Amino acid sequence: QSALTQPASVSGSPGQSITISCTGTSSDVGGYNYVSWYQHHPGKAPKLMIYDVSNRPSGVSNRFSGSKSGNTASLTISGLQAEDEADYYCSSYTSTSTLVFGGGTKLTVL
Amino acid sequence: QVQLVQSGAEVKQPGASVKVSCKASGYTFISYTMHWVRQAPGQRLEWMGWINAGNGDTKYSQKFQGRVTITRDTSASTAYMELSSLRSEDTAVYYCARRSTSSWYSVGYWGQGTLVTVSS
Repeated sequence: QSALTQPASVSGSPGQSITISCTGTSSDVGGYNYVSWYQHHPGKAPKLMIYDVSNRPSGVSNRFSGSKSGNTASLTISGLQAEDEADYYCSSYTSTSTLVFGGGTKLTVL
Repeated sequence: QVQLVQSGAEVKQPGASVKVSCKASGYTFISYTMHWVRQAPGQRLEWMGWINAGNGDTKYSQKFQGRVTITRDTSASTAYMELSSLRSEDTAVYYCARRSTSSWYSVGYWGQGTLVTVSS
């Protein structure tokens, strides 16, 4: 199972919006509504930000939103804040009953 | 509250095996799937496998099939991940992670991570 494809880096200024894409295949992202997004600050455990494509866990800011079209899922962060600077990973359930992560995207808040 | 406490850092020689434990508390252990995820230095998160803590069924990433074994001890509310035939590329932080309360296929709670170093 190959890793899902994410851009290596994105950046934005405080207050702006950014979108991170996550491209897979019909055997993972495109085939199931089970895409998740994780925020990972170095040295800490990852944090679930979005599950099942577009749902936010309790306690996660509504500045974070998720969507999917075909084989590509997206995470949008609006009103960028300095503390949003982190690595972001998507993951998806797959047709072989496994999970697969994306390559990760480093978000820089300018 | 949900807590996952992992065993301490390990240093292993190439060719050896390592077994990492993950003690769960704050919820009914057998009701939730436990995943194992690793991150090598400077690399991405990598899913290794999962175990149904209730019936013990497992599923592994094809990459690790044959080298990884995930087990659990329900009486101790503890999950284990054993990786054999270690090589330098297996140097990584290994996380246990419980599935989210709201979704079968996302990870909601993570252990603190266990650094495994493979070096001669």
